Amino acid sequence: AQKVTQAQTEISVVEKEDVTLDCVYETRDTTYYLFWYKQPPSGELVFLIRRNSFDEQNEISGRYSWNFQKSTSSFNFTITASQVVDSAVYFCALSESLGTALIFGKGTTLSVSS
Amino acid sequence: DAGVTQSPTHLIKTRGQQVTLRCSPKSGHDTVSWYQQALGQGPQFIFQYYEEEERQRGNFPDRFSGHQFPNYSSELNVNALLLGDSALYLCASSLLTGTGEQYFGPGTRLTVT
Repeated sequence: AQKVTQAQTEISVVEKEDVTLDCVYETRDTTYYLFWYKQPPSGELVFLIRRNSFDEQNEISGRYSWNFQKSTSSFNFTITASQVVDSAVYFCALSESLGTALIFGKGTTLSVSS
Repeated sequence: DAGVTQSPTHLIKTRGQQVTLRCSPKSGHDTVSWYQQALGQGPQFIFQYYEEEERQRGNFPDRFSGHQFPNYSSELNVNALLLGDSALYLCASSLLTGTGEQYFGPGTRLTVT
């Protein structure tokens, strides 16, 4: 069965600190897809990134970067120089094929104070 | 370009009643998925509709049913409401032949008393 674990329930940092959100997944599929979503207080989930299981190249987008390691079944998310606007709940998700159900972790609440 | 819209925003119902939630997908999308998010939890997949048919279903009882219309909009129906059905219900749309991203609406907050 597929499963996503986000062991960090809550993280609090001060502005400009770097922070890493952990995500560990379980699947028996050889092909799968990993996602990160952000849920601000307004409640609407915002798509951040999709990664295919056959592409282990790390990705950087502005202050955001993602580290995908199949050997440890992890897909971690780092925010560099955090800002107050980064405060939200972040979810890691897994799907067995494109367009099918997303299996979400329980989320990590990130609080960034000024 | 309009995103995913959902109605109503909030809803209060009594145990045993029935409820219908509505979703309009993002322009150009043909697939709608529904998720239930309990307080402090991650979203849980209920079901997905494509071409007016239920394409995939999660581990939810038959009290949860849905429908997709020719214009790709969708409804989620829940019968015989239980207190445990209180949650944020999220609709997500996607393009079946696309790159897999699902785009979410703002959700409907359902409270069952």
